Amino acid sequence: AQTVTQSQPEMSVQEAETVTLSCTYDTSESDYYLFWYKQPPSRQMILVIRQEAYKQQNATENRFSVNFQKAAKSFSLKISDSQLGDAAMYFCAYRSDEAGGTSYGKLTFGQGTILTVHP
Amino acid sequence: AAGVIQSPRHLIKEKRETATLKCYPIPRHDTVYWYQQGPGQDPQFLISFYEKMQSDKGSIPDRFSAQQFSDYHSELNMSSLELGDSALYFCASSRGYRSGANVLTFGAGSRLTVL
Repeated sequence: AQTVTQSQPEMSVQEAETVTLSCTYDTSESDYYLFWYKQPPSRQMILVIRQEAYKQQNATENRFSVNFQKAAKSFSLKISDSQLGDAAMYFCAYRSDEAGGTSYGKLTFGQGTILTVHP
Repeated sequence: AAGVIQSPRHLIKEKRETATLKCYPIPRHDTVYWYQQGPGQDPQFLISFYEKMQSDKGSIPDRFSAQQFSDYHSELNMSSLELGDSALYFCASSRGYRSGANVLTFGAGSRLTVL
């Protein structure tokens, strides 16, 4: 079964600075997707960014970018120019794209990292 | 844009009672997923439905059951409630099940408190 590990329970950053959240995963599959979801105090799960495993190019969405290292099974999220509204719990998630895989069609989440942004 | 609608948003029940949560997916989304998130925990997959058929099953207790109806909305029924069932229950939907490329869109969640 696939596992997702976020080793940083909490992180903090000053407003306008850059922070990187770590995520590692374990899988024997070659076709999969990785995601970062944000969960603010409202508890709504919001998609931040998505990475296809077959793409070598790192995904970028405005101030959010990832560093995807497939061989190392690492998928970190970099938030640039941090804003107060970025404060939230961030979840890394894995989704298989191999039919018959145990995570096919559903998301497997990491434990989450609480991000605090200081003004 | 229309989002995933969950009702009720908050629910308080006594032990051994029954609760029903409802989920209305985004229009044209044919797949629904249910997740349970306990306090301070990551979401755990419970069950999913594709085209009104169960497509996958996770750590869903036998006391829970779910189904997807002809209009694609889904209901999660929980019986003999226990204190440990207190959690935030998320529903998510996607269009198509057979591709990991389909992004799950989550509802705002239903918070169940069991007293």
